[in-house]
Amino acid sequence: AQSVTQLDSQVPVFEEAPVELRCNYSSSVSVYLFWYVQYPNQGLQLLLKYLSGSTLVKGINGFEAEFNKSQTSFHLRKPSVHISDTAEYFCAVSDTGRRALTFGSGTRLQVQP
Amino acid sequence: DTEVTQTPKHLVMGMTNKKSLKCEQHMGHRAMYWYKQKAKKPPELMFVYSYEKLSINESVPSRFSPECPNSSLLNLHLHALQPEDSALYLCASSQERPGARELFFGEGSRLTVL
Repeated sequence: AQSVTQLDSQVPVFEEAPVELRCNYSSSVSVYLFWYVQYPNQGLQLLLKYLSGSTLVKGINGFEAEFNKSQTSFHLRKPSVHISDTAEYFCAVSDTGRRALTFGSGTRLQVQP
Repeated sequence: DTEVTQTPKHLVMGMTNKKSLKCEQHMGHRAMYWYKQKAKKPPELMFVYSYEKLSINESVPSRFSPECPNSSLLNLHLHALQPEDSALYLCASSQERPGARELFFGEGSRLTVL
């Protein structure tokens, strides 16, 4: 079985500051990892994904994440956040056998002026 | 703009009503999904269709009945729902091959059961 843990339910940060949203996963097989963003009253939009290859993955809106197999982590980072980045962020995992994604509990990023 | 279209965006229904949620995609994806999302919670998988056949049912109550008429359409038929079924229902699609498991989501249908 696979699972995802997002360690922070809320992350307040000031505009133009850097941010890291943490994600740890557990799985007995190889995994695919994703970060999605959800703005209020909207669906989920893919920020970035790790399937294989380079462990540093760059996504949309200036976000990046690093896959660390030894620490079973896939933390999301942005060097300088904007007010418009305020949203809910979900880490998700799927493995080579199970098609559907398993989501973490989400992290609310609140960017303050 | 999302390439997965869900209708209606909002639906209010009584516990004795019968209604349907609809989802359409034109990306040529052969896997389609229904997720349920309660407020301040992550999406929870309900159903997965692969090549128009139901492949995963996450022990969803029978008052929810999915249907996949063709590779572009996915419906969720609702009957005798309970107030606790009020939630955002998300449709998603993906390619059906290893490595391409990125899900594309619609904007959801917000359901309120009175």
